[in-house]
Amino acid sequence: NAGVTQTPKFQVLKTGQSMTLQCAQDMNHEYMSWYRQDPGMGLRLIHYSVGAGITDQGEVPNGYNVSRSTTEDFPLRLLSAAPSQTSVYFCASTLLGTSKNGEQFFGPGTRLTVL
Amino acid sequence: DQQVKQNSPSLSVQEGRISILNCDYTNSMFDYFLWYKKYPAEGPTFLISISSIKDKNEDGRFTVFLNKSAKHLSLHIVPSQPGDSAVYFCAASFHNFNKFYFGSGTKLNVKP
Repeated sequence: NAGVTQTPKFQVLKTGQSMTLQCAQDMNHEYMSWYRQDPGMGLRLIHYSVGAGITDQGEVPNGYNVSRSTTEDFPLRLLSAAPSQTSVYFCASTLLGTSKNGEQFFGPGTRLTVL
Repeated sequence: DQQVKQNSPSLSVQEGRISILNCDYTNSMFDYFLWYKKYPAEGPTFLISISSIKDKNEDGRFTVFLNKSAKHLSLHIVPSQPGDSAVYFCAASFHNFNKFYFGSGTKLNVKP
């Protein structure tokens, strides 16, 4: 099992550019989520999904879009990048409805800089 | 306003001693609490969790205590080892596990 994979590892964008951060998991987890980590703020939930075709907003969804067409993939799209979106982005997944509820597996992160 | 708070940004402990990391929360509806450990340039990894119906959960050197009346939980690491040096995040969720709220993290340094 590769677990949760994220690409790219690093990305530099100019203000106004768009891009997609990729996330994939091979553990057949229904729940997937995206977080951003900023200094002094911990991890903040951007969007999450409880299964294919179902997505919902987290704490900080503005400026981001997601879709979930398959169980495995959960891409995060930045529509028009802003310097405030400079952050480290983590994707995570978990298996719901078991004794392991809430034990999320995290990807290695994508470090994004918006100039 | 953050619903989960870790008020100590850093903690330094001697190897072999106890490390106590603290976490406070504001929403009494939280049903489940977790601790994650994070090394630099890696994603967080799950450490230990506790349901709101319990007040203690133990796993090897790690014990989590929950005080619901004080809205406070703590992670005890005994004995502390240099490999435990990392950033520790506490997190909370409601019973449906749809949203997870994280604290800002505490950087633990275990000195040999």
